[in-house]
Amino acid sequence: AQSVTQPDIHITVSEGASLELRCNYSYGATPYLFWYVQSPGQGLQLLLKYFSGDTLVQGIKGFEAEFKRSQSSFNLRKPSVHWSDAAEYFCAVGGRSGGYQKVTFGTGTKLQVIP
Amino acid sequence: DAGVIQSPRHEVTEMGQEVTLRCKPISGHNSLFWYRQTMMRGLELLIYFNNNVPIDDSGMPEDRFSAKMPNASFSTLKIQPSEPRDSAVYFCASSTLGGELFFGEGSRLTVL
Repeated sequence: AQSVTQPDIHITVSEGASLELRCNYSYGATPYLFWYVQSPGQGLQLLLKYFSGDTLVQGIKGFEAEFKRSQSSFNLRKPSVHWSDAAEYFCAVGGRSGGYQKVTFGTGTKLQVIP
Repeated sequence: DAGVIQSPRHEVTEMGQEVTLRCKPISGHNSLFWYRQTMMRGLELLIYFNNNVPIDDSGMPEDRFSAKMPNASFSTLKIQPSEPRDSAVYFCASSTLGGELFFGEGSRLTVL
């Protein structure tokens, strides 16, 4: 069964500081990996995705993530956090099996940005 | 191009009443997902349709929940009878097969 673990429920960083959000996944084959962001009262917006190829993927809003197969990880990074980045971040894993796909989300990491 | 459209955005109802949530996926997307989000359980996949056919409904909590997709542009999630523990935000998402999910803004359900 596929699963995602986001070990940090809540993270606080200062504006301008660097950020890394952790994500570990379990999947039997090569996964599709996603990071989504959710602002209060909103739906989820895709930040970036990994399907294949270069293991370092760039996303919107200055975010990037690195796929490390040996560690089953897909950590999200940003070199300098802005106050508007305060939101909840979800890692997700999916894949095609038998022509179908199922996407499983982690429990999320809530990011607080302090001045 | 319009995104995934959900209605209603907010629903307050009394225990025992029937609730119907609606979703219009993005045109051309052939996969549709219903998720439920609560503080306690996070985002849970309820059911997944591919080409209007339910593929995986293992996440549907019990028989009170049912979902249909009569055509490629419309899906419903029905709860009958509703209970207070069904209070949550219900999200609909659509995608191409193997693509990323595009989410609607959600339907916040409160069952009193």
